[in-house]
Amino acid sequence: ETGVTQSPTHLIKTRGQQVTLRCSSQSGHNTVSWYQQALGQGPQFIFQYYREEENGRGNFPPRFSGLQFPNYSSELNVNALELDDSALYLCASSLRGVEGYTFGSGTRLTVV
Amino acid sequence: QQQVKQSPQSLIVQKGGIPIINCAYENTAFDYFPWYQQFPGKGPALLIAIRPDVSEKKEGRFTISFNKSAKQFSLHIMDSQPGDSATYFCAADYGSARQLTFGSGTQLTVLP
Repeated sequence: ETGVTQSPTHLIKTRGQQVTLRCSSQSGHNTVSWYQQALGQGPQFIFQYYREEENGRGNFPPRFSGLQFPNYSSELNVNALELDDSALYLCASSLRGVEGYTFGSGTRLTVV
Repeated sequence: QQQVKQSPQSLIVQKGGIPIINCAYENTAFDYFPWYQQFPGKGPALLIAIRPDVSEKKEGRFTISFNKSAKQFSLHIMDSQPGDSATYFCAADYGSARQLTFGSGTQLTVLP
């Protein structure tokens, strides 16, 4: 059984650019959630995808968007990057309605 | 309403000591309270979780104590080891969508 895989592991972007982060969910999981973890802080919920549709969103602007594919993998897209977007972006997969998430190791995004 | 407040921010104990990390919440709809352990460069890993219908749960050296009336819960680590040195996060969620609200984290250092 494979865990959650995220790519890339590190990324440096310039303010104003766009970025796409990728996540492969754990086998058997059908729900993917994305979290943003600023340095020294707890993860903050961005949004969740189930059956390829957004199923809940945290307090993040529309320039944060996502996709879920039929194989349950997912992408997080961030447009018009700002310096404050620098953070560790975590993907977590789960089985809908069942407690417990499996987190990936994250993508460290640095915006300069 | 959605906040989960965690304390202390950092904690240093000697090997064999019993560190205690506390969390408090406001939203009475929360019905699942997990604790996560995170090592540098890694995503959070589920340690132990509890539902509000029980007051205590033990798994190995880790114990959650839950006080529903006070809306507080805590993590105790028995016989702590240097390998337990990590950041610990409490969290809470509810409903079928399962969107975790995390505390701000406690950086635990266990001295040899």
